[in-house]
Amino acid sequence: DQQVKQNSPSLSVQEGRISILNCDYTNSMFDYFLWYKKYPAEGPTFLISISSIKDKNEDGRFTVFLNKSAKHLSLHIVPSQPGDSAVYFCAALRQGGKLIFGQGTELSVKP
Amino acid sequence: NAGVTQTPKFQVLKTGQSMTLQCAQDMNHNSMYWYRQDPGMGLRLIYYSASEGTTDKGEVPNGYNVSRLNKREFSLRLESAAPSQTSVYFCASIFGAGYGYTFGSGTRLTVV
Repeated sequence: DQQVKQNSPSLSVQEGRISILNCDYTNSMFDYFLWYKKYPAEGPTFLISISSIKDKNEDGRFTVFLNKSAKHLSLHIVPSQPGDSAVYFCAALRQGGKLIFGQGTELSVKP
Repeated sequence: NAGVTQTPKFQVLKTGQSMTLQCAQDMNHNSMYWYRQDPGMGLRLIYYSASEGTTDKGEVPNGYNVSRLNKREFSLRLESAAPSQTSVYFCASIFGAGYGYTFGSGTRLTVV
C-alpha cells in the first residue's frame, strides 16, 4: 500500500514561473514531511521539511504547504530556474520510525 | 568531507553470486537506512537501523541481510543475487526526527 503518493511523474514549467509539486499521503500519524531533490547519478539531497503541526514553511524560493485535512502537501518553487530541473521526492516520517518516499516527480524548467 | 560514503559505486554480478554493499557515515548519526530506487517506484526502504545494535525490516527486505557493525557502518548483503535486485542502492543516515536524511551517492548494481 503506497502511503505517500506523487501522482504526476513529470512537470514542465517556464523559467521564472512557479513550479508546484504535489504529494498525497494516507497515514495521519506522520510527524514530518520532507522534500528531496535528486540529480542523475547522485544521492537525494534534503530540500525542505515541515512539521505536522504547521501548515507552511518557507526557505528562500522554496515553500512547502501542508493541508492536514486533505492529507496533501505541495512544494512551490518561485521563481523556477533551469538549475531546479531534477527529480523531486516527497517523503513522510513518523517519530522514531522510517522515512517513506513517494514515487518522485521529474521537474523540467525550460529557459 | 563529512557525509555518507558508499562503496562500490558500480557492480555487475551474475545470478547467484553474493556481495556486500558498504556504507559509512562520519556525522555521529544514530539511525542508518538502506533504500533501493527503481523507475516509477521511488525509493523503497530495505532495512534500517534505528541505533547501534538494532536492525529492522523495511518495505522490501526479502533477499537481503544487514549488519550494523558499529555506529558508523551499516552494510547490506545479497546472499544470492537475482536479476530483480538490479537497482540503484542508497544508504542514508539521520540524527533525529525532522532533520533531513543525508544520503550517499549510491551503488548501481546490475545482476545478469
